[in-house]
Amino acid sequence: QVQLQESGPGLVKPSQTLSLTCTVSGGSISSGGYYWSWIRQHPGKGLEWIGYIYYSGSTYYNPSLKSRVTISVDTSKNQFSLKLSSVTAADTAVYYCARQNRLQPNPYFDYWGQGTLVTVSS
Amino acid sequence: SYELTQPLSVSVALGQTARITCGGNNIGSKNVHWYQQKPGQAPVLVIYRDSNRPSGIPERFSGSNSGNTATLTISRAQAGDEADYYCQVWDSSTKVVFGGGTKLTVL
Repeated sequence: QVQLQESGPGLVKPSQTLSLTCTVSGGSISSGGYYWSWIRQHPGKGLEWIGYIYYSGSTYYNPSLKSRVTISVDTSKNQFSLKLSSVTAADTAVYYCARQNRLQPNPYFDYWGQGTLVTVSS
Repeated sequence: SYELTQPLSVSVALGQTARITCGGNNIGSKNVHWYQQKPGQAPVLVIYRDSNRPSGIPERFSGSNSGNTATLTISRAQAGDEADYYCQVWDSSTKVVFGGGTKLTVL
């Protein structure tokens, strides 16, 4: 059973960089066949896709966040990470990591982490 | 960019049928996936590729997709079905697109 677990600071100061890591267990990121995504949800709001990474390191980001987002992968640790720079209070949200099967023509998210709340405040 | 439109809320009487729509330009040409999210929990896939149920999802959940509207149907609605529901598609340019979400209330 694949499991994803987010980790990182729950409080980030404005203008700083938000950093989160997703640890994958029960399966290898290096096995290929999957996109590894970050998704966020502002309090009381809907889901916003941030971007994904493939095990090779290729990425695709939501154009609305592209200028501030970096997603990286560490296959040796079976982890992938999110960095969001120059954060403001508008970046306060629950951040989820999730997996999509890229071998499907229209991939869906089959596994999700439990989510982690990140608050941006001084 | 591709957009998906969902009603903010849908109400259904206990034991009746709920229908949650997801509108998009020619959405019938895409595969639509549906997620259920209960308060404080991560989303859970309930329908994939328009009408397929993952293992463990009750048969009461079904989906359809045609024209400009996809529909998630929940038959014999139960109190435990109260949740937010999100549709999602894969768009060739935008990649992942979510609908705004619909809050289902079971009366």
